[in-house]
Amino acid sequence: DIQMTQSPSSLSASVGDRVAISCRASQTIRTHLNWYQQKPGKAPKLLVYAASGLQSGVPSRFSGSGSGTDFTLTISSLQPEDFATYYCHQTYGTPQTFGQGTKVEIK
Amino acid sequence: EAQLVESGGGLVQPGGSLRLSCAASGFTFSTYRMTWVRQAPGKGLEWISDISTSGTDMYYADSVKGRFTISRDSARNSLYLQMNSLRAEDTAMYYCARNPFRDYIAFDIWGPGTMVIVSS
Repeated sequence: DIQMTQSPSSLSASVGDRVAISCRASQTIRTHLNWYQQKPGKAPKLLVYAASGLQSGVPSRFSGSGSGTDFTLTISSLQPEDFATYYCHQTYGTPQTFGQGTKVEIK
Repeated sequence: EAQLVESGGGLVQPGGSLRLSCAASGFTFSTYRMTWVRQAPGKGLEWISDISTSGTDMYYADSVKGRFTISRDSARNSLYLQMNSLRAEDTAMYYCARNPFRDYIAFDIWGPGTMVIVSS
């Protein structure tokens, strides 16, 4: 199975900060990488697909980059509603696998 | 508005069975590949199964292969997950989700989830 490792596991940030979350695959996954946001007690929400495609309705402060084994989700200016857990998700290998999550907390 | 709603979760003893359902509305269900993802309490996400638009191609994670069966009924706009030989480690919130892409996999619509607890 392809292992997905996110870093950091958690971070504290302030409203207005630029935040970057990393996701590394154990082998190349080309650009078959998605990012989801999950708030407590809620289902995940698709933010970015195919490494850099912004899902319809997602604010432009979210962006994705990377290819091969290294990927980044960037939030350009953190908003109060962005405090949540973020997961990367590879769909290149079978089975598809998720990262362990990165919790973004208020500083 | 596209929507998915799961049902059928609950408390079951080890070795028991449950059938989860996922009702779709607001979109043409028969044209979308569908999937089940689960999340154990306080843990991350785990893909467990998906099914093709026709219902003829099904895929499973090793952790559930041979015990779980995914199916769909386009006439009822519903997705199902038959879970047999349940174990404590199957305790999780179970989500159904839609894949909107023909040649790619990502999940754009999720249900709120249904909780399965396997305990004696």
